[in-house]
Amino acid sequence: DADVTQTPRNRITKTGKRIMLECSQTKGHDRMYWYRQDPGLGLRLIYYSFDVKDINKGEISDGYSVSRQAQAKFSLSLESAIPNQTALYFCATSRRDGAYNEQFFGPGTRLTVL
Amino acid sequence: GDSVTQMEGPVTLSEEAFLTINCTYTATGYPSLFWYVQYPGEGLQLLLKATKADDKGSNKGFEATYRKETTSFHLEKGSVQVSDSAVYFCALSDTNAGKSTFGDGTTLTVKP
Repeated sequence: DADVTQTPRNRITKTGKRIMLECSQTKGHDRMYWYRQDPGLGLRLIYYSFDVKDINKGEISDGYSVSRQAQAKFSLSLESAIPNQTALYFCATSRRDGAYNEQFFGPGTRLTVL
Repeated sequence: GDSVTQMEGPVTLSEEAFLTINCTYTATGYPSLFWYVQYPGEGLQLLLKATKADDKGSNKGFEATYRKETTSFHLEKGSVQVSDSAVYFCALSDTNAGKSTFGDGTTLTVKP
């Protein structure tokens, strides 16, 4: 069974629609992250959370919001989707007490905004 | 801020060829360094890591040495296989801040 799961895996939507991407983990990790991947641009951090009450903006948070519903769940919302938010989105986790901050990734959600 | 620069791709090699993917970094502290691999249709997974200067990380025939004097962490493999075809990401982690910085990724294609 996957330790970090993301739903949906693929989504096509229209400009202006509100979209929620969900992430769940069974690893028991405190820290969770949302990244987007664009060709040639690597991974860019959108938001991260160190526990349920600690949520922080990453380098590209504009146009996105998040909710940490529980230690195991971290959702990403696009309030009003636009075409340049078309990308591959990854959720990741890491241990709070991890010495190296190794990250564990979900399989990704491919989002297309028309 | 922290940054990671990777050798531009794509890289195409024949099976059993020697692989080097260059990675250099800029960081204010003493980061841990990582190589992650992304196979088609999957998320990233850790390939190897090194946590202090002169450490060598190794896994599945891949190696990388943490070179503080040259701020580098180059990935090498002596003999690549078709199954090594993937995207490789160099990354650093600021353990205190709990965040990672990734390079742009290098696509490797190995032909039989």
